[in-house]
Amino acid sequence: AQTVTQSQPEMSVQEAETVTLSCTYDTSESDYYLFWYKQPPSRQMILVIRQEAYKQQNATENRFSVNFQKAAKSFSLKISDSQLGDAAMYFCAYRFRNKFYFGSGTKLNVKP
Amino acid sequence: NAGVTQTPKFRVLKTGQSMTLLCAQDMNHEYMYWYRQDPGMGLRLIHYSVGEGTTAKGEVPDGYNVSRLKKQNFLLGLESAAPSQTSVYFCASSTRDRGNQPQHFGDGTRLSIL
Repeated sequence: AQTVTQSQPEMSVQEAETVTLSCTYDTSESDYYLFWYKQPPSRQMILVIRQEAYKQQNATENRFSVNFQKAAKSFSLKISDSQLGDAAMYFCAYRFRNKFYFGSGTKLNVKP
Repeated sequence: NAGVTQTPKFRVLKTGQSMTLLCAQDMNHEYMYWYRQDPGMGLRLIHYSVGEGTTAKGEVPDGYNVSRLKKQNFLLGLESAAPSQTSVYFCASSTRDRGNQPQHFGDGTRLSIL
């Protein structure tokens, strides 16, 4: 069974600094997709970034980038130049065919 | 462009009452899902549907039923509500065609069972 693990329940970062959120997953498949979602206090689930497992190049979206290590089954999210608006719960998700699996989330606090 | 719409946004029930949560999407997505979110547990899949007229059990299906009579709608029913079903419920949809497409989520329904 596919599982997704986020080992950091809560993290803090100073405004303008960089923080990395960890995510590992367990799968025997080779063709899958990975996502990071952000959930602010408004409860909306907002897509941050996505990665195709067949691509070796790490995805980037402005201040957000991933470190995808397929052999290690690791998919960490790096947030550069952290802003107060980045404070939220972050969920890592794995997609294989029609199923999505989510980690338990990391709460990110941003200190001014 | 509404995306995924959940109705209602909040509800309080008494133990044993029944209710139905409605999810509607206007993106012509084939797949639809119901999740519950509890503190420290992320999103857990209750039921999902890969097309009109088809449904399947997810990780935590007990106490819930679903129906997908129309492609755009996915209903989640609680036949006899229990306090353990107090949670925030999310509906999501996704397309079948491209695997790199994410799920699109509704804004959630906060349900309290007294």
